[in-house]
Amino acid sequence: DGGITQSPKYLFRKEGQNVTLSCEQNLNHDAMYWYRQDPGQGLRLIYYSQIVNDFQKGDIAEGYSVSREKKESFPLTVTSAQKNPTAFYLCASRKERGNQPQHFGDGTRLSIL
Amino acid sequence: DQQVKQNSPSLSVQEGRISILNCDYTNSMFDYFLWYKKYPAEGPTFLISISSIKDKNEDGRFTVFLNKSAKHLSLHIVPSQPGDSAVYFCAASRTYSGAGSYQLTFGKGTKLSVIP
Repeated sequence: DGGITQSPKYLFRKEGQNVTLSCEQNLNHDAMYWYRQDPGQGLRLIYYSQIVNDFQKGDIAEGYSVSREKKESFPLTVTSAQKNPTAFYLCASRKERGNQPQHFGDGTRLSIL
Repeated sequence: DQQVKQNSPSLSVQEGRISILNCDYTNSMFDYFLWYKKYPAEGPTFLISISSIKDKNEDGRFTVFLNKSAKHLSLHIVPSQPGDSAVYFCAASRTYSGAGSYQLTFGKGTKLSVIP
């Protein structure tokens, strides 16, 4: 079955630690996205990538980093510079032709110990 | 500045009746609109979309209406079922080539409860 896999489902981080969230897709989609959702809020874009080896900052990129070395993979690192990292993180991908919806993984919930 | 607004945080509807979820936008450059459904601790699931060249799009029990002059869209669910209980997000984007194309801007969501 084609889809987007995010792992782990739950992640705990100590203060001052970096942590990496995994996102893998087998949909052969060109574009991939990372969003953050906070309680009572919509999804806010952190980073996106339209093609391998290229990515752009979204609205709230500070304290985050990404890489796009393979078409299938778009890992997100939450660095110690991110002051309020506790949130639900969602990865999405999209076929980069015309009006196509983004499709989402099931998310990773990150909590600070 | 919130470019996509869902002014009703919650909505309760009886099973079998119509659910109407509303969404307003401020950016006149938006020309592609989507609705997503989300259950707790899961990712959003794409429901239905509409391009600005249309004013209505139907898919089974779901219909999206777009009023460009009012910058307003709505999602109608008929008949509503208990399994429709979820948070519904409205999203908008503008279609153009180049960096940032097709980025989605989301509303804050409306929690729909369908009462059996």
